[in-house]
Amino acid sequence: QSALTQPASVSGSPGQSITISCTGTSSDIGGYNLVSWYQQHPGKAPKLMIYEGTKRPSGISDRFSGSKSGNTASLTISGLQAEDEADYHCCSYAGSTTLVFGGGTKLTVL
Amino acid sequence: EVQLVESGGGLVKPGGSLRLSCAASGFTFSSYSMKWVRQAPGKGLEWVSSISSTSSYIYHADSVRGRFTISRDNAKNSLFLQMNSLRAEDTAVYYCARAPLGAFWYLDSWGQGTLVTVSS
Repeated sequence: QSALTQPASVSGSPGQSITISCTGTSSDIGGYNLVSWYQQHPGKAPKLMIYEGTKRPSGISDRFSGSKSGNTASLTISGLQAEDEADYHCCSYAGSTTLVFGGGTKLTVL
Repeated sequence: EVQLVESGGGLVKPGGSLRLSCAASGFTFSSYSMKWVRQAPGKGLEWVSSISSTSSYIYHADSVRGRFTISRDNAKNSLFLQMNSLRAEDTAVYYCARAPLGAFWYLDSWGQGTLVTVSS
C-alpha cells in the first residue's frame, strides 16, 4: 500500500486560513469516506482532529474542518493560532482492515 | 482518563528481537480493538498491526508480516508486539493506539510511544 501524498509544509499568518491536501487513490480515499486527520506537536503523540472525513471529536475546535473531493481529502484550519503549529497527518481506510497514512505536513504559523 | 503507556523499546542489533508492551487504563480494554503504529525518524506514520477485542482478528502490514506478532492479555489490560528478525528500517517510535467502539478505521487515543533502534 503506497502512502498518501501530502505537501511537506504549509504556512500562514495568525488569523488566516490554510488548507492541507491529502491525495490517494480510488482504493483508499476515493473508495471510502473514512479519512482521519491527526495533529502532532514535536515529541508528542498524535491527536485525533477529524474522523470519517468531516466529523470532529468532542473538544476539537470548529476552526478545524475536513472535506473530500474524489481521491483528495483536505483539512482546513481557519483563524490560525500559534498553538496550531504542528505536524498534520492524514489517514485513510484502504480495505481489508488496512490503514494508510500520508507523509505528514509541517504547519508553520508565521 | 484514557492512558496508554508503551515500554520495551531500546537498541537492538539487526536480526535481533524485541517485545513491546502497552499498558492500558481508564477504559474497558477488553472491549476495544487496538493497533500499533510506527514513525521512523523524520517520517510519517505507518500502520503496523491490528488486533480485535477478543484477538479473533489479527492483521499485519506487508512490511512486517511474518516477523512481527501482535497479541493482547485482556486480564492484564495489556497489548504486545513481538518483533523478530529486526532490520534497520524498523527503527522508529512505536505507538499503541485505540480504535473507537464499532470502528477500526481511525484512532481516538494514542500512547506516548517507545523508541526502537536497530543498529549494529
